[in-house]
Amino acid sequence: EVQLVESGGGLVKPGGSLRLSCAVSGFTFSTNNMNWVRQAPGKGLEWVSFISLGSDTVYADSVKGRFTISRDNAKNSVYLQMNSLTVEDTAVYYCARDAWNYWDWGQGTLVVVSS
Amino acid sequence: EIVMTQSPLSLPVTPGESASISCRSSQSLLHNNGHTYLGWYLQKPGQSPQLLIYLGSNRASGVPDRFSASESGTDFTLKISKVEAEDVGVYYCMQGLQAPYSFGQGTKLEIK
Repeated sequence: EVQLVESGGGLVKPGGSLRLSCAVSGFTFSTNNMNWVRQAPGKGLEWVSFISLGSDTVYADSVKGRFTISRDNAKNSVYLQMNSLTVEDTAVYYCARDAWNYWDWGQGTLVVVSS
Repeated sequence: EIVMTQSPLSLPVTPGESASISCRSSQSLLHNNGHTYLGWYLQKPGQSPQLLIYLGSNRASGVPDRFSASESGTDFTLKISKVEAEDVGVYYCMQGLQAPYSFGQGTKLEIK
């Protein structure tokens, strides 16, 4: 069974940093591209970042220069380092596996940016 | 960047009736491998998105055959026949052709 488990969310002050983790199991992690998607309270889904199996990366304009996605194939994990956080970054952050024809999703981790 | 446009944004439906959701992409989602990288996901209240349809019109495993999808160029349609109470939630179309990936605004289906 494919599982994606996010962690690392919490309350952080504006300007602060947070590192999200996503631990996966049930598939060969090193052969899949991975993504982070977020959902602000009461809003729709917003794609945030992509990392290829070769560690090429792409970012949404809204987070470019502030967020960094990375992966550790030995630990079957993908990460999202978030710096210079603003209140607009408040959201549930989902880790998603690109299974080539569809995406699998984790349950999400909540990030709240507030003073 | 590919823009996905969904309609309607709100969809009240009487149980047993049919419902239809439209999604339009700003450019073709056809890959050179012949597949169309459009998926439909349902996000039930308090849950993460779950796959309904992949590659434009293929129903995912375990999805009732009340759900069907079609495509015509850059226009995509999700149809739900005989809507049930368990179908409530927000439906999203998503283009998986190329990063930056993108979603429609979401269609909230509610039971009348």
